[in-house]
Amino acid sequence: QKEVEQNSGPLSVPEGAIASLNCTYSDRVSQSFFWYRQYSGKSPELIMSIYSNGDKEDGRFTAQLNKASQYVSLLIRDSQPSDSATYLCAVKGNQGGKLIFGQGTELSVKP
Amino acid sequence: EPEVTQTPSHQVTQMGQEVILRCVPISNHLYFYWYRQILGQKVEFLVSFYNNEISEKSEIFDDQFSVERPDGSNFTLKIRSTKLEDSAMYFCASSDVIAGGGTQYFGPGTRLTVL
Repeated sequence: QKEVEQNSGPLSVPEGAIASLNCTYSDRVSQSFFWYRQYSGKSPELIMSIYSNGDKEDGRFTAQLNKASQYVSLLIRDSQPSDSATYLCAVKGNQGGKLIFGQGTELSVKP
Repeated sequence: EPEVTQTPSHQVTQMGQEVILRCVPISNHLYFYWYRQILGQKVEFLVSFYNNEISEKSEIFDDQFSVERPDGSNFTLKIRSTKLEDSAMYFCASSDVIAGGGTQYFGPGTRLTVL
């Protein structure tokens, strides 16, 4: 069973639209959740972290966490072509620091 | 803004050779990590390091791999005898705490090519 799952995409949205990225995880004791953005050939870049159930907003980005459903999502409002990248969901347990990554969702924002 | 740096950006080596990948974590961070990403695949955890010892390692991190903090700033990953399947991007990351949030910041990576 995969530990962190994401739709691989590609997800294509028009410029200005809302992009919705989803992630599920298998370990119920997971405590911390992160969204990273990765451009091709580059390293993961942190976008958002979320630790409590509910929504967390930062500019055009909103992370949503539902621990009961073991589900975390990222909404990108007013999507821009520069948002085109692979978005990685990462999960950390309550002990130890290792991040477990999903396979990433490729997002394409069309002008 | 402080950042994690890594050298070299690209390393080409022959199968069976030893390589050392170098990282300089963010200066006030105490926890250090190595991850790798084979082309087209997900980012995979290799090892975490704290207080001059390994905290946790994955199944990938076998006897061919070792880590070291030789001085107050550098953090290295050594692969003793490289295999073709070691070809990947290797990312170093660091964080200031390990529990709870402990956001990890990634370096730009070293692309290792084993011929």
